Amino acid sequence: DVKVTQSSRYLVKRTGEKVFLECVQDMDHENMFWYRQDPGLGLRLIYFSYDVKMKEKGDIPEGYSVSREKKERFSLILESASTNQTSMYLCASSGAWGTDTQYFGPGTRLTVL
Amino acid sequence: DAKTTQPTSMDCAEGRAANLPCNHSTISGNEYVYWYRQIHSQGPQYIIHGLKNNETNEMASLIITEDRKSSTLILPHATLRDTAVYYCIVRVDSDDYKLSFGAGTTVTVRA
Repeated sequence: DVKVTQSSRYLVKRTGEKVFLECVQDMDHENMFWYRQDPGLGLRLIYFSYDVKMKEKGDIPEGYSVSREKKERFSLILESASTNQTSMYLCASSGAWGTDTQYFGPGTRLTVL
Repeated sequence: DAKTTQPTSMDCAEGRAANLPCNHSTISGNEYVYWYRQIHSQGPQYIIHGLKNNETNEMASLIITEDRKSSTLILPHATLRDTAVYYCIVRVDSDDYKLSFGAGTTVTVRA
C-alpha cells in the first residue's frame, strides 16, 4: 500500500520561528511536492522536487525553502514563520511522468501565532 | 488543463450507490480524468483515473462517455466513511506537474 507520511498532524509556532515540516514516502517516487490548502483558495503548489537535490519553485515559493537530500524525504522550511503562513500543508509524491498519480500525506495543520 | 464542472453537493443513503457526475466538455485527446476525495481535515486521497475506457478498482468505478465530455464516478455501496469532498480533475502529460482542485462535490452519506 502506498504511503506518504508527514512529521506532524498539528503544529503551533510563534511568529519569527524557523519551522521544519518533513515528508517521507516509501514508494521510491522521483517527484515530491509541497502544497498549501486554504479555504477559498484551493490547492497551491509551493515547491516540487524531481530528483535528489533538485527543486523547482511552484506558484507561491516566497517565505519557504525546501531540502531533498534523500530520495524518500522532502522537507519544507519556513525560514521565519508569519501569521499568513497559517495553513494546511500537504506533501505528495508521484512517479516521473506528468500524469503519474500523486499520492498525498495526511497533512500538517500549522498555526502561527 | 481543461476545466471541470461538478455539482456543489449531493446526499446519498448508506448502502446505496453514489453516482457523482463531472462535466469536462473542453477535454483534449491526451487529457486523463482523475478523481480524488478529501475527508475533513485530511489529505486528498486518490480514487481512480482513466483516459477513454471505463475503469474499476476496489474503491470505485469510472464511466467516461464516448465523446469524453463527461464522466461519472460510482461508489457502489456508500458508507458513512465515504462522506467527503470529491474532486474531478483533468490532466495532460506535460511538464506542469501541479494539481489544481476546483470546488468539488460535497457528498454526505446518511444512515
